[in-house]
Amino acid sequence: AQSVTQLDSQVPVFEEAPVELRCNYSSSVSVYLFWYVQYPNQGLQLLLKYLSGSTLVKGINGFEAEFNKSQTSFHLRKPSVHISDTAEYFCAVSEDTDKLIFGTGTRLQVFP
Amino acid sequence: GAVVSQHPSRVICKSGTSVKIECRSLDFQATTMFWYRQFPKQSLMLMATSNEGSKATYEQGVEKDKFLINHASLTLSTLTVTSAHPEDSSFYICSASGGRSYGYTFGSGTRLTVV
Repeated sequence: AQSVTQLDSQVPVFEEAPVELRCNYSSSVSVYLFWYVQYPNQGLQLLLKYLSGSTLVKGINGFEAEFNKSQTSFHLRKPSVHISDTAEYFCAVSEDTDKLIFGTGTRLQVFP
Repeated sequence: GAVVSQHPSRVICKSGTSVKIECRSLDFQATTMFWYRQFPKQSLMLMATSNEGSKATYEQGVEKDKFLINHASLTLSTLTVTSAHPEDSSFYICSASGGRSYGYTFGSGTRLTVV
C-alpha cells in the first residue's frame, strides 16, 4: 500500500534563505507525486506535480522538486523564501487509482 | 485553470440537524470527486470517493449513513452530514479530478461547527 512520509512537521527559516521540505513515499508501482500548499482556512493549491519524464519539476512561486526513484523521495525546494511562503505544505502520492494520499504536512514558518 | 467551487465556506448548525455541502467543478467535467476531512493542524483524511452516477466508495471507518454523498452530475457532488454532533465539527474539503494524470483541483473548504 502506498504511504507518504513528511519527516519535518515544522521548518523555521529566515526570509531569503533556501529551504527544503522532505517527502518520502512507499509504493511498489509507478506513482504520480504532488506538492500542495494550504493557507489558513483555505483549500489546497497545487504547487507542482511529477507524472513522468524529467525528474526535476518546476512549479509555481519559485518552487521546484526532484523525483528520486532510488531513494523514493520527492523533496520540495526553494532557493529564497519570502514571508508570504509561510503556510502548510503537503506532499501527496497517487498510485494506480485516482486516490490521492497525503503526508502529514510540514509547517513552513518564514521569519523576517 | 481548473476551478472547483465549494459552498458554504462556513456553517454553524445545531446538534441533531443535517448540513449539506456542495462541490462544483466550474470549467471541467470531473469524472471523480473526493471528500476529505481535516482536523486542526493535521493532514487531510480521505473520507470517500464518488463517481458520477454511481454509489460512493467510503474509506474504512467512515460511516456512510452519516456522511451521505451524492454525485448526480459530472460537475456536482454533495456531502450531507446527517444528524450532526459536535464531534463532526471539522474542516471538510472536496476535490475534483478529470482523471489521474489530469490532476486534482481542490475546493476552498467548509468549516463546520456543530453546537
